[in-house]
Amino acid sequence: DAGVTQSPTHLIKTRGQQVTLRCSPKSGHDTVSWYQQALGQGPQFIFQYYEEEERQRGNFPDRFSGHQFPNYSSELNVNALLLGDSALYLCASSLQAGGPFVETQYFGPGTRLLVL
Amino acid sequence: AQSVSQHNHHVILSEAASLELGCNYSYGGTVNLFWYVQYPGQHLQLLLKYFSGDPLVKGIKGFEAEFIKSKFSFNLRKPSVQWSDTAEYFCAVNARSGNTGKLIFGQGTTLQVKP
Repeated sequence: DAGVTQSPTHLIKTRGQQVTLRCSPKSGHDTVSWYQQALGQGPQFIFQYYEEEERQRGNFPDRFSGHQFPNYSSELNVNALLLGDSALYLCASSLQAGGPFVETQYFGPGTRLLVL
Repeated sequence: AQSVSQHNHHVILSEAASLELGCNYSYGGTVNLFWYVQYPGQHLQLLLKYFSGDPLVKGIKGFEAEFIKSKFSFNLRKPSVQWSDTAEYFCAVNARSGNTGKLIFGQGTTLQVKP
């Protein structure tokens, strides 16, 4: 049973560039959430995708956008990169079928982004 | 705004010592509660979760947590730690109202177990 996978594992970009991170959910899951984890901090919620739509969004600027594909995989796009965007980006998948009140999120290994 | 507070940022214990990591949240409504663990070089893994029912929940590797609603707390415990428990531990909460899947995490507690 494949878990949540993310690519790439590491990425180096310069300020102003754009980046796309990818996530494949755990087998059988239909919902993908994205988090940003700065060094020494807990993960912070960026947004969640379900049925190819953004279902909920955290306190992140519009430079952060996403997409979910029919196969439930997802992309996170960040435009106009800032130094402060350097972080570990985590993808988590879950299943909505059990109902919104019993959702459990399972995390991937993350993509470490360094912005120079 | 909802928040999660983990009081201990860095805990050092000897093997066989008992562990208790504190977690408090601020939210007036009903919540789901989680503890995740991140072992060195590995990704975040679910340790245990509470949705409803018995406030004492048991997780993997001998961990347990108790939900005390009146104290807005969900402390993690283990009676006897092992060197392999060295990891970072995160408490997380999500509100059951508003159909939200947003997890709010605490800052994390680094546990170092000395052999």
